[in-house]
Amino acid sequence: EVVLTQSPGTLSLSPGERATLSCRASQGLANSYLAWYQQKPGQAPRLLIYDTLRRATGIPDRFSGSGSGTDFTLTISRLEPEDFAVYYCQRYDTPAMYTFGQGTKVEIK
Amino acid sequence: QVQLQESGPGLVKPSETLSLTCTVSDDSISRGWWWSWVRQPPGKGLEWIGEIHHSGTTSYNPSLKSRVTISVDTSKNQFSLTLNSVTAADTALYFCARNGDYSQDSWGQGTLIAVSP
Repeated sequence: EVVLTQSPGTLSLSPGERATLSCRASQGLANSYLAWYQQKPGQAPRLLIYDTLRRATGIPDRFSGSGSGTDFTLTISRLEPEDFAVYYCQRYDTPAMYTFGQGTKVEIK
Repeated sequence: QVQLQESGPGLVKPSETLSLTCTVSDDSISRGWWWSWVRQPPGKGLEWIGEIHHSGTTSYNPSLKSRVTISVDTSKNQFSLTLNSVTAADTALYFCARNGDYSQDSWGQGTLIAVSP
């Protein structure tokens, strides 16, 4: 069973600062199918990044993804007030299986 | 832009069967996408339940596979989830979603299902 571990659990930052979120897989990805989602209270998740580094439609360029193998990163270059939320990473494996990390909360410092 | 809307009973008794439907608007289930169910227990993270293609081909999370069935009704542009033998651990917000490039690119708002006597 593949496990995704996100760190830190909570990130306390101020608007305008840079956020770096980590997602580590217990087994390496043979493909690049790593995605990131943002979820605000009472809302459905919103796809930010897919295929490790591709921004979903309408996602601002302050969000970027990188990584390979077992280590992946979501970077928010300058935090806007609307970016404070919980972020999840997700990987796809064959045969078809999607696994989520436990989430990182980005809160206002 | 595609719209997804979950519908379900809200409350299910332990050991009974949970049934949910997702109605898709402004897109056709038959266009070739895959369609997923994802759940989120209160205050916890996300868990992928399974997916279906308009042809009826399915894939399930191994942890739930013995209790889950996902089906599709292309004439109604809907897909459905059935979960058998529910317990309190199945209490969650259940989302339906459209799969994009090995991810879920559009989501419903979710429907809360409580398992309680």
